Amino acid sequence: GENVEQHPSTLSVQEGDSAVIKCTYSDSASNYFPWYKQELGKRPQLIIDIRSNVGEKKDQRIAVTLNKTAKHFSLHITETQPEDSAVYFCAASKSRGGADGLTFGKGTHLIIQP
Amino acid sequence: DGGITQSPKYLFRKEGQNVTLSCEQNLNHDAMYWYRQDPGQGLRLIYYSQIVNDFQKGDIAEGYSVSREKKESFPLTVTSAQKNPTAFYLCASSIGGLGEAFFGQGTRLTVV
Repeated sequence: GENVEQHPSTLSVQEGDSAVIKCTYSDSASNYFPWYKQELGKRPQLIIDIRSNVGEKKDQRIAVTLNKTAKHFSLHITETQPEDSAVYFCAASKSRGGADGLTFGKGTHLIIQP
Repeated sequence: DGGITQSPKYLFRKEGQNVTLSCEQNLNHDAMYWYRQDPGQGLRLIYYSQIVNDFQKGDIAEGYSVSREKKESFPLTVTSAQKNPTAFYLCASSIGGLGEAFFGQGTRLTVV
């Protein structure tokens, strides 16, 4: 089955700097790659996703890049703010939109230092 | 805060007892999912259902059972066969391949 590796497990950056979280996946048939943000004690919420026919997608301060050949995708957060502190999960799915469920990475705890 | 509701938020059970976690959604979504979250482990798929009266095993289905008798409801039973049932359980729903998965607030199950 699919295996998703996520790095780093903890990332500490100064407020205003950029943060990058990287994921690799094993199944070349995967075609949907969402990113979820989970604040302490709350539910995971989708922040951005990308499909295999697109190499990059941007939404304000957040961007995701996908390299299908290398089977890796990354989350980029620019101009980080205190409210960006949370655990971020990448995920992958072979089914359109993740209809068969998602395989998640183990998460990255992002800490924004004031 | 409607959408997808899990109850209860905290649940305590004695070892050897079966327990059922509730998940209800009013989003008219066809697909529903159960994930288990352990510290440092991310989320792992237990079961999913793409349509009423049908469901499929996920990556860690052993010791769990589900039913999908109504579109709005997807209860999860943690049986006594589950070796390490203490965990945070998250239910999710989606349109079924066309949109994002929305998560409930989760149920924290502690077995003593």
